[in-house]
Formats: sequence, structure tokens, C-alpha cells
Amino acid sequence: AQTVTQSQPEMSVQEAETVTLSCTYDTSESDYYLFWYKQPPSRQMILVIRQEAYKQQNATENRFSVNFQKAAKSFSLKISDSQLGDAAMYFCAYRPYISNFGNEKLTFGTGTRLTIIP
Amino acid sequence: DTAVSQTPKYLVTQMGNDKSIKCEQNLGHDTMYWYKQDSKKFLKIMFSYNNKELIINETVPNRFSPKSPDKAHLNLHINSLELGDSAVYFCASSQEAGPYNSPLHFGNGTRLTVT
Repeated sequence: AQTVTQSQPEMSVQEAETVTLSCTYDTSESDYYLFWYKQPPSRQMILVIRQEAYKQQNATENRFSVNFQKAAKSFSLKISDSQLGDAAMYFCAYRPYISNFGNEKLTFGTGTRLTIIP
Repeated sequence: DTAVSQTPKYLVTQMGNDKSIKCEQNLGHDTMYWYKQDSKKFLKIMFSYNNKELIINETVPNRFSPKSPDKAHLNLHINSLELGDSAVYFCASSQEAGPYNSPLHFGNGTRLTVT
């Protein structure tokens, strides 16, 4: 079974600084997807960034980028120029690459609560 | 326009009652899911449906019964509610298209409190 581990329950960063959130996962699959989702106090689950395992290039999305280390099964999220609106729970998630419709469930980590210090 | 909408947003009820949560998506996706987020914020899948057909049922008690009248709707009915059912329930949808699958789009969640 796949597992996703986020070893940092809480992190804080000064506004405008850079912070990195860690995520490791365990799988025997060679093809899969990895995601970072953000959950602000509003409770909404917002997709931040996505990485396909077959792509060697790290995904970037404006101030958000990932460091994907497939061999180490590590998928960290870097947030540059942190803003107050970045304060949220961040969840790392794994999904297998299966073309079996409807069976593509996400496995989530336990989350990291990010606080932005003004 | 709301892509995945759930109602109600909050639900407070007593033990033993039966309640339903409704979910609708207007994205044209053919797969829908129910996830449960417990008090420690842990998210776990409960069910998935593809074109109205149940695909995933993750050892959820029989008191939970999803119903999908069409591929745009996936409702969750819960019988004989228990204190441990208190959680936030998220509906989600995605478009499965062979090797390429869209990311999950989540609703805003329904906070269920059982007293």
C-alpha cells in the first residue's frame, strides 16, 4: 500500500522569505502522480502543483516549485516570497498511474500547517 | 461559477438520525469521490463513482450509502449517525481519460457534527 509522510506538522516563515515543506512517499509503482494541495481556513482544498513521475523536470507554478527526487521518493514544496495568503494546511498527495476509470484514489499525507509571520 | 458544490455547508444533528449530503459538479467530469477529513485533518477516501458505477468502497460502514443518479451528482446518505461520524466530508470530481487524468477538484466540504 502506498503511504505519504509529512514529517513537519507545523512550519513558520517570515513574510517574503522562502520555506520548504517536506514530503516522502512509499510505493512500488514506477508511474504515478504527486500533488500538493493547500487548505486555508476557509476549508477549501486548492491544488497548488502537480508532478508526473515520468517527468524529470521539476514542476513550477509561479512562486511554488517542487524538488522531486524519484529515487529517494521525496517530493518537497518550495514557496518563494511567502505571502500572508499562503498561510494554510498543505497536503502532499500521491495517486497511482492507473487507466482503470474511477480507481485513481489520492493518498494524502497528514499535512503541514504553515504560518506566515508578518 | 462553482465547479463542485456541496450542500449543506454545516450539518449539526443528534446521534441516531439519518442525514444526507448532496454534491453536484458542473465540470463534465465522469468520476466523483467522497473523502472524509477527521479532527486531525487526515483525509481519506471513502467512495468513488465512475459514470454512476461504484468503483472504490474503502471499508466504510454500511451506514454510509452513496448514490449517483447521474454522473454530475453524487450524494452521501448516512444512517444511524454516531459521534465518530463527526468530520468534514469532501466531494471531489475528476476526468479520467486513459493515461491522462485531471487533478481532483474538491468541493468546499460539509462539516458534520453529531451530538
